[in-house]
Amino acid sequence: GNSVTQMEGPVTLSEEAFLTINCTYTATGYPSLFWYVQYPGEGLQLLLKATKADDKGSNKGFEATYRKETTSFHLEKGSVQVSDSAVYFCALMNNNAGNMLTFGGGTRLMVKP
Amino acid sequence: GAGVSQSPSNKVTEKGKDVELRCDPISGHTALYWYRQSLGQGLEFLIYFQGNSAPDKSGLPSDRFSAERTGGSVSTLTIQRTQQEDSAVYLCASRQGGGRPGGYTFGSGTRLTVV
Repeated sequence: GNSVTQMEGPVTLSEEAFLTINCTYTATGYPSLFWYVQYPGEGLQLLLKATKADDKGSNKGFEATYRKETTSFHLEKGSVQVSDSAVYFCALMNNNAGNMLTFGGGTRLMVKP
Repeated sequence: GAGVSQSPSNKVTEKGKDVELRCDPISGHTALYWYRQSLGQGLEFLIYFQGNSAPDKSGLPSDRFSAERTGGSVSTLTIQRTQQEDSAVYLCASRQGGGRPGGYTFGSGTRLTVV
């Protein structure tokens, strides 16, 4: 079956620090991979995605590269801001019936000024 | 509408009571999903509707949970005889049909507290 494992939080960083949130997956076939973000009091929003191996998704300074050989999709940002404080979810979707998203457990990021 | 609308945004209920949670998807989106987000945990798939097809109920945790989608639009998730472990945020998402990856739009969720 499909599963997503991401590093447990919370992750606490100072402003302008480098961020990495690890994500690895198990899936049959060739899934699409996603990072979603949930800001305090808001719903889930798509942050970035990658649909095939070696694709790099990027948005708002965040990046993640689809690594098939290591089944990973680690999220990175070179310089975090206080406004990046949120919960980040890694997810995969297999292009089979339903196209359901399978989520990791979420990682809370806290950025201090 | 412009987004996925869920109501109520918060619900406190007594153990043993039934609750209904509503989701109004984006107009024209044929697929609708319910997920549950328990405290400190990830999102757990509950049920999926696609057009007029029979729903995929494989994620429902017990027979106390049921959902329906009327007219291919609004969906209601019903939890009967609520238990404290049902306390969670219930998220609804919709997407257009077809094979395009992603395209999910999530609602803001209903926070259910069973006391």
